[in-house]
Amino acid sequence: DSGVTQTPKHLITATGQRVTLRCSPRSGDLSVYWYQQSLDQGLQFLIQYYNGEERAKGNILERFSAQQFPDLHSELNLSSLELGDSALYFCASSVGFATEAFFGQGTRLTVV
Amino acid sequence: GNSVTQMEGPVTLSEEALLTINCTYTATGYPSLFWYVQYPGEGLQLLLKATKADDKGSNKGFEATYRKETTSFHLEKGSVQVSDSAVYFCALSGMGANSKLTFGKGITLSVRP
Repeated sequence: DSGVTQTPKHLITATGQRVTLRCSPRSGDLSVYWYQQSLDQGLQFLIQYYNGEERAKGNILERFSAQQFPDLHSELNLSSLELGDSALYFCASSVGFATEAFFGQGTRLTVV
Repeated sequence: GNSVTQMEGPVTLSEEALLTINCTYTATGYPSLFWYVQYPGEGLQLLLKATKADDKGSNKGFEATYRKETTSFHLEKGSVQVSDSAVYFCALSGMGANSKLTFGKGITLSVRP
């Protein structure tokens, strides 16, 4: 158990809908990262937050947004969903920068 | 920007065979280097890490040495087991604005009895 909790584990939704994925980082970790894993694209970095502030942005679509709350949990919002958004979404956390990150079990999103 | 290149897979080995998975990187400065493993249906787990040149990371019989002169961090294990079957990812973390983890494409290892 990495200490990073993601909910839900599985999500099935229709095209055009909006979903929210939730992540609770390990106790004491200030950085939260979101990654998308698909068969054809591998692990793609989406966004990083540090202590509530956005720190780095990767290949995150405009339809996607995220935030980190004062209690350090984070949410990833995906809207106007398309079939191609079906993937595993991972959250990871770390104490600070340039340190190892610990991953949650992921949320498997299926868009039908 | 930073990047990680892993050898193409998949790799299939017999139990007790020697394993080497190649990983090279491109980064400015002195990144930290990591190997992660993903077992079927699970998230990524940190396998080992090295934070400076010539450091050797090791865990569960796996080893990797941070080679700055060749910008490499190859993963090795002397004798693989069926339970090592998984996907292996090489990753790096830079400094400052590049502190996010950048991953290679991953390689699937299958070990047959």
